Amino acid sequence: DGGITQSPKYLFRKEGQNVTLSCEQNLNHDAMYWYRQDPGQGLRLIYYSQIVNDFQKGDIAEGYSVSREKKESFPLTVTSAQKNPTAFYLCASSTDGTVGNTIYFGEGSWLTVV
Amino acid sequence: AQSVTQPDIHITVSEGASLELRCNYSYGATPYLFWYVQSPGQGLQLLLKYFSGDTLVQGIKGFEAEFKRSQSSFNLRKPSVHWSDAAEYFCADTGGGNKLTFGTGTQLKVEL
Repeated sequence: DGGITQSPKYLFRKEGQNVTLSCEQNLNHDAMYWYRQDPGQGLRLIYYSQIVNDFQKGDIAEGYSVSREKKESFPLTVTSAQKNPTAFYLCASSTDGTVGNTIYFGEGSWLTVV
Repeated sequence: AQSVTQPDIHITVSEGASLELRCNYSYGATPYLFWYVQSPGQGLQLLLKYFSGDTLVQGIKGFEAEFKRSQSSFNLRKPSVHWSDAAEYFCADTGGGNKLTFGTGTQLKVEL
């Protein structure tokens, strides 16, 4: 089935460690996104990429890094510099970055810092 | 900066009753507006979207939304709610840019 696959679904990290969340899509979409969701705050954009080998910071990029070496993959690294990383992370994609294109979401990954 | 406001954090309705979820946007020109639904621990699913044209938009699962420029609103409605509609609902817009800005969400509870 076509879609967006995020892994792992649940992840625990010790303070001071980096962790990478995987996002793979087989929709042949050019644009991909990472959002962070916290209770009562909606979704906030971390990074987005409109094409391979290119990406831009979103509203809350500090403490995060991404890469886009392949069209279907957009991994997110949560670094030790992220002060409050415990959250629900959502990966998304769209046909391209054109305004108004429907954005499709993965099932999300829960990250807990212990 | 563009912003989307969902004034109701929680709403409870009885099964079979009508539903209206409020959304207000601040972008001055006509924005691109969306409603998404999220079940607990899951991703978001698009219910409907508005770009231009007819101000009453039909979506999936029996939902509709009406764009009212005079009120800067894009409220989501359903004539008869089913227990399976219990979820969190997010309004979003792109304003004049190419990034989605989400509201803080409205949690819908359905009483049987």
